[in-house]
Amino acid sequence: AQSVAQPEDQVNVAEGNPLTVKCTYSVSGNPYLFWYVQYPNRGLQFLLKYITGDNLVKGSYGFEAEFNKSQTSFHLKKPSALVSDSALYFCAVREGHSGTYKYIFGTGTRLKVLA
Amino acid sequence: DAGITQSPRHKVTETGTPVTLRCHQTENHRYMYWYRQDPGHGLRLIHYSYGVKDTDKGEVSDGYSVSRSKTEDFLLTLESATSSQTSVYFCAISETGDRGEYGYTFGSGTRLTVV
Repeated sequence: AQSVAQPEDQVNVAEGNPLTVKCTYSVSGNPYLFWYVQYPNRGLQFLLKYITGDNLVKGSYGFEAEFNKSQTSFHLKKPSALVSDSALYFCAVREGHSGTYKYIFGTGTRLKVLA
Repeated sequence: DAGITQSPRHKVTETGTPVTLRCHQTENHRYMYWYRQDPGHGLRLIHYSYGVKDTDKGEVSDGYSVSRSKTEDFLLTLESATSSQTSVYFCAISETGDRGEYGYTFGSGTRLTVV
């Protein structure tokens, strides 16, 4: 079965500093990987995805993610953190076969950006 | 979130009572999913549907059933609610895709408390 792991429950970073939220994956075949963000009392919102192509994927709100096949990682990054980036972040991977796809989520990482 | 609504938003129910949560979409998407969110577990898939009357179990389906008689509605029923089913429930929809490449759009969630 496909899976993703988010090794950090919480990440703290100062406003203006670069941020990284880590995700590693375990899949058979080519991975389809996603990042979502959840603000308090809201549903999850799509940030970006890796399907194929360039290893550096750009997404919403200035976020980007780097796909690294040799390290089986898909870390979320932003060059300069904002206080408003404080939220819960989830990594996800596609599982299943044609016609029955679903996504498996990691346990989430809480990002806290300090002013 | 645009195109997908969940009802009710909040519910308190007693142990042993049946409960039905509703997910309604206006996007005409084929795929619909029910997840629960719990601290330390992230999002876990309960059931999903890839078409009218086509449903399948996820990783935490015990105690839950679903029905999809119309494209736009996906109902989640707790047959006899237990305290362990206290959680936040999210519905998600996804566009039809042969490769599962589109990701999800999430509803705003239903906070269920079983007392």
